Amino acid sequence: SAVISQKPSRDICQRGTSLTIQCQVDSQVTMMFWYRQQPGQSLTLIATANQGSEATYESGFVIDKFPISRPNLTFSTLTVSNMSPEDSSIYLCSVAATGVGYTEAFFGQGTRLTVV
Amino acid sequence: RKEVEQDPGPFNVPEGATVAFNCTYSNSASQSFFWYRQDCRKEPKLLMSVYSSGNEDGRFTAQLNRASQYISLLIRDSKLSDSATYLCVVNNGIYNQGGKLIFGQGTELSVKP
Repeated sequence: SAVISQKPSRDICQRGTSLTIQCQVDSQVTMMFWYRQQPGQSLTLIATANQGSEATYESGFVIDKFPISRPNLTFSTLTVSNMSPEDSSIYLCSVAATGVGYTEAFFGQGTRLTVV
Repeated sequence: RKEVEQDPGPFNVPEGATVAFNCTYSNSASQSFFWYRQDCRKEPKLLMSVYSSGNEDGRFTAQLNRASQYISLLIRDSKLSDSATYLCVVNNGIYNQGGKLIFGQGTELSVKP
């Protein structure tokens, strides 16, 4: 299993500003994942963060808007830049634990962002 | 067409009822399948993995039909504590080698006394 600490748990931000979300894992992991969950919606993958290389972004998400850092195997940050009300959402980081014949994703507690 | 589609819900059932959730996926190359549970204002947590042979965990039974690209979750003897959103999740590759988890939109279950 994996324990993930994510902060802040919530924030209210002014439009045009940026917010950096931090994610700390209690074990070393190769890949960390960042998701967005808009109100009433399911999870959408934003990007995959590998330590030592550039993050891989999904269609519709770009590095300028969501820069990601991955300085070591236990930590990652996601920045939501130049925020607008449309960015109001829950942002979750995730890691995978794999074993013989299975994979389980673990999630941080989420960051509930409101942009005003 | 969405990659993973679930029953729209919400499902409102009395305690003790049996309820079934359905899910279809579009990518025939998908490799692994899961049901996650998400409580209100909480992060998703794994409920159970889904295997071709079907698997059961207490009151919960999951089935996978690869030919029909269909996944189901059956909950027997519903409890109030089962109230949550149930997410059908499909992995289209090896998770730590580029495979991605694709989430359905979720089906909300509300169990009433």
